Amino acid sequence: QVQLVQSGAEVKKPGSSVKVSCKASGGTFGNYAISWVRQAPGQGLEWMGRIIPVLGVSNQGRVTFTADKSTSTVYMELSSLRSDDTAVYYCARLDHRYGAFDIWGQGAMVIVSS
Amino acid sequence: DIQMTQSPFSLSTSVRDRVIITCRASQNIGTYLNWYQQKPGKAPKLLIYAASSLQSGVPSRFSGSGSGTDFTLTISSLQPEDFATYYCQQSYNTPWTFGQGTTVEIK
Repeated sequence: QVQLVQSGAEVKKPGSSVKVSCKASGGTFGNYAISWVRQAPGQGLEWMGRIIPVLGVSNQGRVTFTADKSTSTVYMELSSLRSDDTAVYYCARLDHRYGAFDIWGQGAMVIVSS
Repeated sequence: DIQMTQSPFSLSTSVRDRVIITCRASQNIGTYLNWYQQKPGKAPKLLIYAASSLQSGVPSRFSGSGSGTDFTLTISSLQPEDFATYYCQQSYNTPWTFGQGTTVEIK
């Protein structure tokens, strides 16, 4: 069974960028898409976007999703960080048949503070 | 964007009680509705997909129903490990959106 393993916590300054990784362990992404979902402290879940690793890069405003097929790793880079970007960032595998997130990474805390 | 509204916001209940959580979509989403459980400090876990299909490995005390705009998640007999926050999510179109969550607490 594939597991998603994410990189560790980060502390960043406002205006900088952060790059979070998500590696498939025990398998590959196959043809699945990987979505990113974030959760601000004490708040609900917010879908950020998705990437299909076999297809490569996906840009959505301040967020860029990339994939390294050779290492079965996807990345989420968020630029021009603001304090309200402070959150736990999750990667999750998308079951495209139902649009459901069936496997999740453990989450990566990103703190934006001056 | 499709708005998802859950009720109640929180509920206090006891082990072996029956729990019903509702989720309403701002437009018809067919059965493109999924339910997740999240415990503090942990990632969400998929419970129900396509409104009523039980994810593999999830106990049968969890069930989902509904279509169109109104959906329910039912826990038939609450167990100690079920105290958590539950989220619905629509997958009808992007951006996929979640309800605000329902926290099930011990009475």
